[in-house]
Amino acid sequence: QQQVKQSPQSLIVQKGGISIINCAYENTAFDYFPWYQQFPGKGPALLIAIRPDVSEKKEGRFTISFNKSAKQFSLHIMDSQPGDSATYFCAGSAGGTSYGKLTFGQGTILTVHP
Amino acid sequence: KAGVTQTPRYLIKTRGQQVTLSCSPISGHRSVSWYQQTPGQGLQFLFEYFSETQRNKGNFPGRFSGRQFSNSRSEMNVSTLELGDSALYLCASTERGGPPSEETQYFGPGTRLLVL
Repeated sequence: QQQVKQSPQSLIVQKGGISIINCAYENTAFDYFPWYQQFPGKGPALLIAIRPDVSEKKEGRFTISFNKSAKQFSLHIMDSQPGDSATYFCAGSAGGTSYGKLTFGQGTILTVHP
Repeated sequence: KAGVTQTPRYLIKTRGQQVTLSCSPISGHRSVSWYQQTPGQGLQFLFEYFSETQRNKGNFPGRFSGRQFSNSRSEMNVSTLELGDSALYLCASTERGGPPSEETQYFGPGTRLLVL
C-alpha cells in the first residue's frame, strides 16, 4: 500500500527556473513531512521538513507548502541550479512509536539544464 | 565525525544463497534503521534497532532479519535470496533513537545487491 504519492516522476527545468514537486499522503497519523535529496551513489540526505501545524516553511531557495485539509504538500526550489540535479523524495512519519520508519514517495528525478 | 558506513558496497549473489550486510552508524548514534530501495517500489522501511532490540518492523517476509550489537553496529541478513531482492539496501542512524519527527536520520551510501 503506497501511502505517499509523489509527482512528477521526472522533471526538467532550466537554470534559474522554479522546480515544483508534489506529494499526497493517506495516513492522517503522519505528523512530520521531510524531503530528502539523493545524488547518484549516495544515500538520501535531509533537505527540509515541516510539521502540519504550519502551512509553509522556507530555507534558502527551498520551500515546503503544506495543505492539511487536502493532505498534500509540495517542494518548491527557486532559482534552480544544475547542482540541484538529483532525486527528491518526500516522506511522512507518524511519530510516537514509529521508530526509524519513514514512508517515502516514489521519488522525482530533477534535471536542471544550464 | 565520519558518516554512516556500509559494507560491502556491491555484492553479487545467486538465487537461494543468503547474504549479510553490515552498517556502522555515526559514532555515538544508538539507533539504526534499514531500508530497501528499488526502482519499482522505491524506498521501503525494513526494521529499526535500538539498544540491540528491534523496535519496529516493516512489511517484509521473515527471510529478512537483522540484529544490532552492543557497539550499535548492525547487520541485516537475507536468506534464500530471490531475484526480486536485488536492490540498494540503505541504513540510517539517529543519535538518541527518537522517532523521525524528533531526530534526523542520516543515511549511508548503501549496499547494492544483485541476485542472479
